[in-house]
Amino acid sequence: DQQVKQNSPSLSVQEGRISILNCDYTNSMFDYFLWYKKYPAEGPTFLISISSIKDKNEDGRFTVFLNKSAKHLSLHIVPSQPGDSAVYFCAAEDNFNKFYFGSGTKLNVKP
Amino acid sequence: DAGVIQSPRHEVTEMGQEVTLRCKPISGHNSLFWYRQTMMRGLELLIYFNNNVPIDDSGMPEDRFSAKMPNASFSTLKIQPSEPRDSAVYFCASSATLGRGLGELFFGEGSRLTVL
Repeated sequence: DQQVKQNSPSLSVQEGRISILNCDYTNSMFDYFLWYKKYPAEGPTFLISISSIKDKNEDGRFTVFLNKSAKHLSLHIVPSQPGDSAVYFCAAEDNFNKFYFGSGTKLNVKP
Repeated sequence: DAGVIQSPRHEVTEMGQEVTLRCKPISGHNSLFWYRQTMMRGLELLIYFNNNVPIDDSGMPEDRFSAKMPNASFSTLKIQPSEPRDSAVYFCASSATLGRGLGELFFGEGSRLTVL
């Protein structure tokens, strides 16, 4: 059973607007969470992370929010740009440096 | 610096044939992961090595799959015999387990396997 879930396989957003990608997890022992971005024919690349002791981490246009009580995290991209169009994977890391990934959300930012 | 290097980038084979995928992790990284990406399940962890030792192979689908890491700079994932349902993109990733949550999982470009 998947411990990290992304229930939206795709999302379409207009350029300049906000993109919100969601992720849920089941294991309360996870204490680091990450977002990866993947372009076609390339490997995933790290985007942003958050520790469970925080509820928000911001890096430029990208902000990750963590709600531990709900076991939910989200990635906000503001403003969205066409170059942000990619598949976004949510991931969680356990005490053994093992990473669990969600199934991904394909973001399409329309010009 | 070179990133994680995988070969081959593309492999087309017939059912029943043996397939070997190769990975060279980033120098100095002590953890190596094999993932499989499919449309249905996204990125699935197959096996994870730390300091060349397999730590968790619970994600390996069945006995047809095996992985080795004979030294710190090389790993293989073997499928024997291959089946059409093994068709997927296989990613190798490495990390330096010095700090957690620092996004230090680096992926290769993947090996796209097609089994006819």
